Amino acid sequence: GQNIDQPTEMTATEGAIVQINCTYQTSGFNGLFWYQQHAGEAPTFLSYNVLDGLEEKGRFSSFLSRSKGYSYLLLKELQMKDSASYLCAVMDSNYQLIWGAGTKLIIKP
Amino acid sequence: GAVVSQHPSRVICKSGTSVKIECRSLDFQATTMFWYRQFPKQSLMLMATSNEGSKATYEQGVEKDKFLINHASLTLSTLTVTSAHPEDSSFYICSARGTGTEIGELFFGEGSRLTVL
Repeated sequence: GQNIDQPTEMTATEGAIVQINCTYQTSGFNGLFWYQQHAGEAPTFLSYNVLDGLEEKGRFSSFLSRSKGYSYLLLKELQMKDSASYLCAVMDSNYQLIWGAGTKLIIKP
Repeated sequence: GAVVSQHPSRVICKSGTSVKIECRSLDFQATTMFWYRQFPKQSLMLMATSNEGSKATYEQGVEKDKFLINHASLTLSTLTVTSAHPEDSSFYICSARGTGTEIGELFFGEGSRLTVL
């Protein structure tokens, strides 16, 4: 079966760095996505990785290793507004998105 | 970026009534729209995929007669929850993928919170 695993919850301190991991087992691979979702709101797109390596976008970076079925989202210089759920999603061979359950990130002052 | 508008954002209805939720792509043509529901503290669950001008494809376990989806134009899809019951209370979110967008980049509506009394 298809499976996406990510931690349920993480806590970090304002100004620090946090890494949210995601491992996946899917039938085929056409890219991995990270979305941010604030409570009660719809998700917003953060990043897309289809090749191995690190993609950097400002304070956020996303890494992919296809051979390991592994990705992480790295958030630097954490701000209180970064408190949200972070969803990992993989596009399978049928171009369907398989969603992880999300990681709730709590930022403390 | 592209904008998807969803309406209403909140709706409260009595058990047995039907509720319609609209999803509009405001500045692009959405060839494909997706409808999700999300229970508290859970991930998005895809309900159905709709392509303009054709019947929606429902995910396993989703009743197509209960959740009617219409995608009559390239900018509008509607989800009608028929004969709603309290267990249908959830957060419903639509997303759209247009032509030319980065594959897999979905633009989400604001979501509609349905409460069935």
